[in-house]
Amino acid sequence: QSALTQPPSVSGSPGQSVTISCTGTSSDVGSYNRVSWYQQPPGTAPKLMIYEVSNRPSGVPDRFSGSKSGNTASLTISGLQAEDEADYYCSSYTTSSTLVFGGGTKLTVL
Amino acid sequence: EAQLVESGGGLVKPGGSLRLSCAASGFTFSTYTMNWVRQAPGKGLEWVSSISSRSNFKYYADSVKGRFTISRDNAQNSLYLQMNSLRADDTAVYFCARERQWSFPVAFDIWGQGTMVTVSS
Repeated sequence: QSALTQPPSVSGSPGQSVTISCTGTSSDVGSYNRVSWYQQPPGTAPKLMIYEVSNRPSGVPDRFSGSKSGNTASLTISGLQAEDEADYYCSSYTTSSTLVFGGGTKLTVL
Repeated sequence: EAQLVESGGGLVKPGGSLRLSCAASGFTFSTYTMNWVRQAPGKGLEWVSSISSRSNFKYYADSVKGRFTISRDNAQNSLYLQMNSLRADDTAVYFCARERQWSFPVAFDIWGQGTMVTVSS
């Protein structure tokens, strides 16, 4: 159950777009469209932002979008805002009926 | 409003045991798969365990298998995690989380605020 691979950090200026990648294997990301993304500001619980690769829960701005190609999923945040600064985690269901998270990516809004 | 509130965390010696609880309100607890996720200080999220709505399916991370036991009481709207043979690397904030749709862990749409477990002599 190795963690999915995310870049440790990304940054962007307000109004710009950033993309966070999440690379797994054929046993997790590549096997199912069951990738989720979470936002976690410091000291708070995670918040679901994207589920099943590209679906947004009610209340999540459409600036957040998700996609997947092969063993790599991606989260794109367009029109960056200061409030988007947080840690972001991907997760995927696996062929072992478990769940694996990515190592997390710290987003800095410059 | 759906809400989850964890309790039971604290300081425990290596090799000791602890039982975490999670009280659910604001939704029909008995129809959802529930989960435990932990986060060591300054580290990322780690999925720990899942239990289906009627307790017929239970899943565990390799790191806790054989030491931790997940359970639930639908009549009490409560989720539990019995943790035995605790080790220093079990030190973390433990979150309970609701699975959005499936009977296995996929996407967690409601999270508690977490309870801290510290394993130290």
